[in-house]
Amino acid sequence: QKEVEQNSGPLSVPEGAIASLNCTYSDRGSQSFFWYRQYSGKSPELIMSIYSNGDKEDGRFTAQLNKASQYVSLLIRDSQPSDSATYLCAATREGAQKLVFGQGTRLTINP
Amino acid sequence: ETGVTQTPRHLVMGMTNKKSLKCEQHLGHNAMYWYKQSAKKPLELMFVYSLEERVENNSVPSRFSPECPNSSHLFLHLHTLQPEDSALYLCASSHKSSGANVLTFGAGSRLTVL
Repeated sequence: QKEVEQNSGPLSVPEGAIASLNCTYSDRGSQSFFWYRQYSGKSPELIMSIYSNGDKEDGRFTAQLNKASQYVSLLIRDSQPSDSATYLCAATREGAQKLVFGQGTRLTINP
Repeated sequence: ETGVTQTPRHLVMGMTNKKSLKCEQHLGHNAMYWYKQSAKKPLELMFVYSLEERVENNSVPSRFSPECPNSSHLFLHLHTLQPEDSALYLCASSHKSSGANVLTFGAGSRLTVL
């Protein structure tokens, strides 16, 4: 079983719609969760972090965490073509230096 | 520019060559990482250095040899690589503190082994 699992996509969403990206993790000791965005040919950049159950909003982005279900999601409202990228989910135990990544979901926003 | 600089950006080498990848961070971080990114596979953690001490070696073959001379610089020495080692090698840094560990990545070094 993969430690962090994502649907590789591609996920196609029309411009202006909500894009929903999902991630599950197997290590119940994971405490911190991150979403990174990676444009083609570029390095990953952090867009959201979440540490406690519930929702966390930052502009058009909302991260959701459910530790009981071992599930993390990222919602992108009012999707723009510039949101087209691969989104990487990552998890780590508290105080640990090992950040475990999923394989990423490729998102395409269609104008 | 993320504050983490990697050189070279592209490298082509034969299986008998010896080369090195270099990473430098200007963020005042005290932990540095090497990750390998291959097509359709998750980012794989290779090595972690915290306060210049190697704290993680993720079962990486000995043909990859890391070096961390100080908290701002990290090297990955390469020798007798195999074609399957062709990948994007990403350096990252973070500030070691309690709780979450937020990584800042460099632009990567694209390695091709012939």
